Amino acid sequence: DAGVTQSPTHLIKTRGQQVTLRCSPISGHKSVSWYQQVLGQGPQFIFQYYEKEERGRGNFPDRFSARQFPNYSSELNVNALLLGDSALYLCASSLKGTPENIQYFGAGTRLSVL
Amino acid sequence: EDQVTQSPEALRLQEGESSSLNCSYTVSGLRGLFWYRQDPGKGPEFLFTLYSAGEEKEKERLKATLTKKESFLHITAPKPEDSATYLCAVYSGSARQLTFGSGTQLTVLP
Repeated sequence: DAGVTQSPTHLIKTRGQQVTLRCSPISGHKSVSWYQQVLGQGPQFIFQYYEKEERGRGNFPDRFSARQFPNYSSELNVNALLLGDSALYLCASSLKGTPENIQYFGAGTRLSVL
Repeated sequence: EDQVTQSPEALRLQEGESSSLNCSYTVSGLRGLFWYRQDPGKGPEFLFTLYSAGEEKEKERLKATLTKKESFLHITAPKPEDSATYLCAVYSGSARQLTFGSGTQLTVLP
């Protein structure tokens, strides 16, 4: 069975540009969460979606937005990129959006902002 | 605000030398504590989830335990392939999100 898939694998952008990252959850999973991981740190929560509705939002500026589609895939958008947005962006899926459900992670998208 | 602190930051062991990693947490209403393993350039891989103090879970050379304030990941007779960063995360009813620690980078030397 396919795990969580993310695209693209790597991305290079310049300051001020916009970027869209994509995530396909494990088949049957209805919840998707996004995390930012800076080198040497643990993942930091950005958004959670369940059944196409936003269920949670972390402490990130409004430049970050996301959505979930009817097939449960998801996109993360970041506008007006800053150098500090350079990080590994991780997507995780779970059956539902509750803590009892284990979150399974994709390999991530490595974003570099120059 | 939920807080998770992992120690040590880095640990080097000889093959076969058992040890423990610590995860201390401060949360309001723990709903679950999770251990993940992360290899360089990859996403975290799920290992264990613990829900209540006193709970223990085992998988091969790993054993996770939980108290009201901390969790331990015990590694028995580690092998070089156990080298990775081990992440601890908590989910609380108040924050309704997964909060991670900074991880422990484990290196097992042959």
